[in-house]
Amino acid sequence: QKEVEQNSGPLSVPEGAIASLNCTYSDRGSQSFFWYRQYSGKSPELIMFIYSNGDKEDGRFTAQLNKASQYVSLLIRDSQPSDSATYLCAVKGGYNFNKFYFGSGTKLNVKP
Amino acid sequence: GAVVSQHPSRVICKSGTSVKIECRSLDFQATTMFWYRQFPKQSLMLMATSNEGSKATYEQGVEKDKFLINHASLTLSTLTVTSAHPEDSSFYICSRSGSYTEAFFGQGTRLTVV
Repeated sequence: QKEVEQNSGPLSVPEGAIASLNCTYSDRGSQSFFWYRQYSGKSPELIMFIYSNGDKEDGRFTAQLNKASQYVSLLIRDSQPSDSATYLCAVKGGYNFNKFYFGSGTKLNVKP
Repeated sequence: GAVVSQHPSRVICKSGTSVKIECRSLDFQATTMFWYRQFPKQSLMLMATSNEGSKATYEQGVEKDKFLINHASLTLSTLTVTSAHPEDSSFYICSRSGSYTEAFFGQGTRLTVV
């Protein structure tokens, strides 16, 4: 069983729509949750992180965490073609406290 | 701006040769840095944790004699791929931790072994 699972996609949404990206994790003791964006051939860049259950908003991005369901999501409002990338979910803490576990990423295509 | 600088961004080498990749923390003295490898359409896999002034900690299945890590200063960690083979061709990325436990990544190094 993979520690962090994501649907590989591609997820296609029209420009201006809401994109919803989902992630589940296996280690119930995980404490920190991150979303990274990775353009093709580039390294990941941090979008946002969340530690507590509930929603956290930052501009067009909202991260949602439900520790009981071991589920974290990222909503992108007013999607733009420049948002087209692979989105990586990462989880930290739990059994291996300092180690990051990355999902394989969801490819998002925003169509003009 | 970038807080972690990685060099080179691309390298092509012949099979059997060694390649050194540098990772610098630009704004912060990092006692710990991390090296990842990413194959196409796959997740980042942690290879090793680089510890300043001491031996690196390697993940299970990573050959420490093949992937030499040196963290001689608080701002520089290096990864040397020794006796490279085509199956070592991959995207290698270093990172360090930020203020809130997040990871900041270098630009990555695309290694192609021919």
